[in-house]
Amino acid sequence: AQSVTQPDIHITVSEGASLELRCNYSYGATPYLFWYVQSPGQGLQLLLKYFSGDTLVQGIKGFEAEFKRSQSSFNLRKPSVHWSDAAEYFCAVGAEAAGNKLTFGGGTRVLVKP
Amino acid sequence: GAVVSQHPSRVICKSGTSVKIECRSLDFQATTMFWYRQFPKQSLMLMATSNEGSKATYEQGVEKDKFLINHASLTLSTLTVTSAHPEDSSFYICSARDEVNTIYFGEGSWLTVV
Repeated sequence: AQSVTQPDIHITVSEGASLELRCNYSYGATPYLFWYVQSPGQGLQLLLKYFSGDTLVQGIKGFEAEFKRSQSSFNLRKPSVHWSDAAEYFCAVGAEAAGNKLTFGGGTRVLVKP
Repeated sequence: GAVVSQHPSRVICKSGTSVKIECRSLDFQATTMFWYRQFPKQSLMLMATSNEGSKATYEQGVEKDKFLINHASLTLSTLTVTSAHPEDSSFYICSARDEVNTIYFGEGSWLTVV
């Protein structure tokens, strides 16, 4: 069975500082990996995805993530955080062999200080 | 990116009544859609996988007779909460898989049972 761990429940970062959100997954084969962002009371917006190929993927809003197979990680990064980046971030893993069902991490809430 | 729309965004119903939530993929065909439930400050819990033209596949512990799912077309899936009770009050989110296995989420629907 696949599983996803986001070790950090909360992260507080100053505006303009860099941000890194950790995600570790467990799955026997190469999974599909996603990062989504959720603002309070709203649905999820896809930031980026990794299926295969280049292990550094670029997403929307200046985010990027790097797939590291040896570490079973897919960490999300942004060089300079904006106040509008305050939200809940979810890492998810899916696999065609599992019917493309997504398994989500617990989420990381990002707070941005002025 | 692709758009998935949910309706209604908020609904209040009386205990014992049924309520239907719609999920539409607006610019792609989705043979597979997924229904999730999210409790406050928690991650998403997959309820069921909705396959066009066939019965939904429910996750363990989800009552299929209470949460009726219909996927009658390639762009529409519906979730009907039957005989709703206050404990069914929650945020329900659908997602849809496009032809290249990217999964997009709707805006979510807040259900309050009074």
